[in-house]
Amino acid sequence: SSELTQDPAVSVALGQTVRITCQGDSLRTYYASWYQQKPGQAPVLVIYDKNNRPSGIPDRFSGSSSGNTASLTITGAQAEDEADYYCNSRDSSVNHVVFGGGTKLTVL
Amino acid sequence: QVQLQQWGAGLLKPSETLSLTCAVYGESFSGYYWSWIRQPPGKGLEWIGEINHSGSTNYKSSLKSRATISVDTSETQFSLKLNSVTAADTAVYYCARGVSGYSYGYGYWGQGTLVTVSS
Repeated sequence: SSELTQDPAVSVALGQTVRITCQGDSLRTYYASWYQQKPGQAPVLVIYDKNNRPSGIPDRFSGSSSGNTASLTITGAQAEDEADYYCNSRDSSVNHVVFGGGTKLTVL
Repeated sequence: QVQLQQWGAGLLKPSETLSLTCAVYGESFSGYYWSWIRQPPGKGLEWIGEINHSGSTNYKSSLKSRATISVDTSETQFSLKLNSVTAADTAVYYCARGVSGYSYGYGYWGQGTLVTVSS
């Protein structure tokens, strides 16, 4: 299957830890990457290739993977982390890139 | 530092051809795949396709019949053409590149171009 599935919405209390998940068969073969997108802005890569953070991304963002599920964890969520989060990976069955449907994170 | 700058027509009529170009600054064109990604208003990200410096392409299956991605290595630019557009093609279109030649984590993005298809 060339799909990645994400929960549409997740909420977290300020300062608490939240995990956003991404499921799909392609994740058994390829690492997931994660993007943060705020309204009116281009996506920003926060985790790539399972658990690598680009320069400038706070270390409260981390990634992990098990089987067909990848996870983005925000440890100590901040108000500025409220955004849409997308996962993606390669799908070898159709030789293209797939994105998850996105998760809207609300920080309470 | 890699920078991507894109441009193209923002308003099209149904059946016309969408045409966007992305210029690459600060990095060699070779060794990477260069991609187009779109996002309809209020919806998620959709990968359209990719091209490398030698012109090898991959496309999303559902768009393959209408999309053409080409490269101009002398100008370090790559382009997207999407023919026979409909209202469903209305979206912000982005060009993008992975953080490395073997990563599908898109660390570099153009500024985005809103393309509206309306009669």
